[in-house]
Amino acid sequence: ETGVTQTPRHLVMGMTNKKSLKCEQHLGHNAMYWYKQSAKKPLELMFVYSLEERVENNSVPSRFSPECPNSSHLFLHLHTLQPEDSALYLCASSQAAYPPKQGSYNEQFFGPGTRLTVL
Amino acid sequence: GQSLEQPSEVTAVEGAIVQINCTYQTSGFYGLSWYQQHDGGAPTFLSYNALDGLEETGRFSSFLSRSDSYGYLLLQELQMKDSASYFCAVRDNTGGFKTIFGAGTRLFVKA
Repeated sequence: ETGVTQTPRHLVMGMTNKKSLKCEQHLGHNAMYWYKQSAKKPLELMFVYSLEERVENNSVPSRFSPECPNSSHLFLHLHTLQPEDSALYLCASSQAAYPPKQGSYNEQFFGPGTRLTVL
Repeated sequence: GQSLEQPSEVTAVEGAIVQINCTYQTSGFYGLSWYQQHDGGAPTFLSYNALDGLEETGRFSSFLSRSDSYGYLLLQELQMKDSASYFCAVRDNTGGFKTIFGAGTRLFVKA
């Protein structure tokens, strides 16, 4: 039990579908993250929310839309995805607000991920 | 631009010591971290270096040289369960905070 849960664990969707990924952290953390992990590619940070405000958006296509209704929940809304969007989507959380102070680090705790397949 | 390089694969025997190197290019370096990920699992945090030198945590140590834009993860007394992928990640403050991950080093521990 990592304290960060994600649902669903597996998702298959067509390119015209709309779906949402859910992340919940039970650790009382203040920052939450969405990552994309594709086969044979580096882990990519997509979005960061700190104290429920989006603080980092790494040039992610608009077909991915994050939502953070409170400090414990994070959603990733998906619509009109492409087959190349098939990947493992990981959620993480960290204790302190983001960005961290110089010399300190927010250890990130990851959820198990959602394996997304776009047909 | 920003980039990280680490070897794609490393093989070592149980009980040995292995070093996984990471070199980076970034203009706004803020810190270097290491993560471990087993097949089918989520990444787990191992260490973080913001200043030069060696940080030790049990069997794992991490080193940073900011002047050389270089760091490494040292794993001692290797165990079979250490077989996993290891990622270095750089936090960069160029035009806003970014976290850039390396492609990962696959460690195979043999008996």
